[in-house]
Amino acid sequence: SQQGEEDPQALSIQEGENATMNCSYKTSINNLQWYRQNSGRGLVHLILIRSNEREKHSGRLRVTLDTSKKSSSLLITASRAADTASYFCAPADRGSTLGRLYFGRGTQLTVWP
Amino acid sequence: GAVVSQHPSRVICKSGTSVKIECRSLDFQATTMFWYRQFPKKSLMLMATSNEGSKATYEQGVEKDKFLINHASLTLSTLTVTSAHPEDSSFYICSAREQTVNTGELFFGEGSRLTVL
Repeated sequence: SQQGEEDPQALSIQEGENATMNCSYKTSINNLQWYRQNSGRGLVHLILIRSNEREKHSGRLRVTLDTSKKSSSLLITASRAADTASYFCAPADRGSTLGRLYFGRGTQLTVWP
Repeated sequence: GAVVSQHPSRVICKSGTSVKIECRSLDFQATTMFWYRQFPKKSLMLMATSNEGSKATYEQGVEKDKFLINHASLTLSTLTVTSAHPEDSSFYICSAREQTVNTGELFFGEGSRLTVL
């Protein structure tokens, strides 16, 4: 099983700007998931994109997946101070019946008012 | 949505003592739960997979005698840190997948901050 590698490690922007985070992985996946973690809290699932999908939207979130490059991106549009959090990607391997997910260091997003 | 409750949220103990952390799925059944440990700078490490009614599956490098996992029912898994040492101080987070829906997402507890003096 594999973990995703998020990039950049830290991102600092002003409210209203867009935030883009990237994720790379190494082997074939069934799907890729993005999670958010507020400081000192548990993780919250944001969005899941399947290997046969290229783009998915959920509110102000847009996720893309490029399986040829083994990469994904998470775009948060019109960011708000409340979006400040760490964001993690988790590639789910094909054939993983137990559903283990491995996480990297995440991207720490800071949105300034 | 599915809710996972973790208790205690914070615990301070002395070196050498054991600490138990509970993870409950409140409104769904979970035959499998996962325990993570979060290090400084946010890196999340999967420690083990907790299986209801059977032994837990530990990740490489995780001491099973140090971190005892019990999954006695479909809604409860416990992690016991035995003979705790200061280096065991960390943020422990559990998660579970809703079996009936099986959307692939994990639901996480709020985490437990362990401080070993």
